[in-house]
Amino acid sequence: GAGVSQSPRYKVAKRGQDVALRCDPISGHVSLFWYQQALGQGPEFLTYFQNEAQLDKSGLPSDRFFAERPEGSVSTLKIQRTQQEDSAVYLCASSLAPGLAGGSGQFFGPGTRLTVL
Amino acid sequence: AQRVTQPEKLLSVFKGAPVELKCNYSYSGSPELFWYVQYSRQRLQLLLRHISRESIKGFTADLNKGETSFHLKKPFAQEEDSAMYYCALSGVASGTYKYIFGTGTRLKVLA
Repeated sequence: GAGVSQSPRYKVAKRGQDVALRCDPISGHVSLFWYQQALGQGPEFLTYFQNEAQLDKSGLPSDRFFAERPEGSVSTLKIQRTQQEDSAVYLCASSLAPGLAGGSGQFFGPGTRLTVL
Repeated sequence: AQRVTQPEKLLSVFKGAPVELKCNYSYSGSPELFWYVQYSRQRLQLLLRHISRESIKGFTADLNKGETSFHLKKPFAQEEDSAMYYCALSGVASGTYKYIFGTGTRLKVLA
């Protein structure tokens, strides 16, 4: 693929529903990040994977948020019992190497816009 | 605390005028600084990295460690530069090279 892809692009959920957001990183990219972007704000870090290992989940706002990357490629961000404050754009990004030295930064997907009614 | 501040939410300039988008940061250690741009209906894309010391689309940014700034500059703005610009910080002190973003500045270049 040409870049990071995310699906669905738009998701409307009723409060209390569970949602699953998918990210397909660039092939061969070791690092995968999830960010949450609320309206009018910059993206905020949620969680980080290096291959299949979730090395940092310090940004997940509550235990309703769960992410996985079981085979070190595709990742899924799951939100249980959605609340209105979960409404945001969820961005996925991948990068070639764990560190940045010599790398080319993070490549972002188009995002999934989640609206919780 | 690690933080990125972009003081201007909106910056409007006329075509051909110079542009400066401000970015200040707070970080313990040696940060890596980036500028990302988001054109209408497009994804975030990397514009500049401070370690590359390059000029992209006529934009440059210099890391000033004394003033903890990484302002983005272009001498002559073009209408196609209209977009949302985000300054981002990363580095080993963040633990996982995650980005810390500013709130963004919307640049409008007027004809």
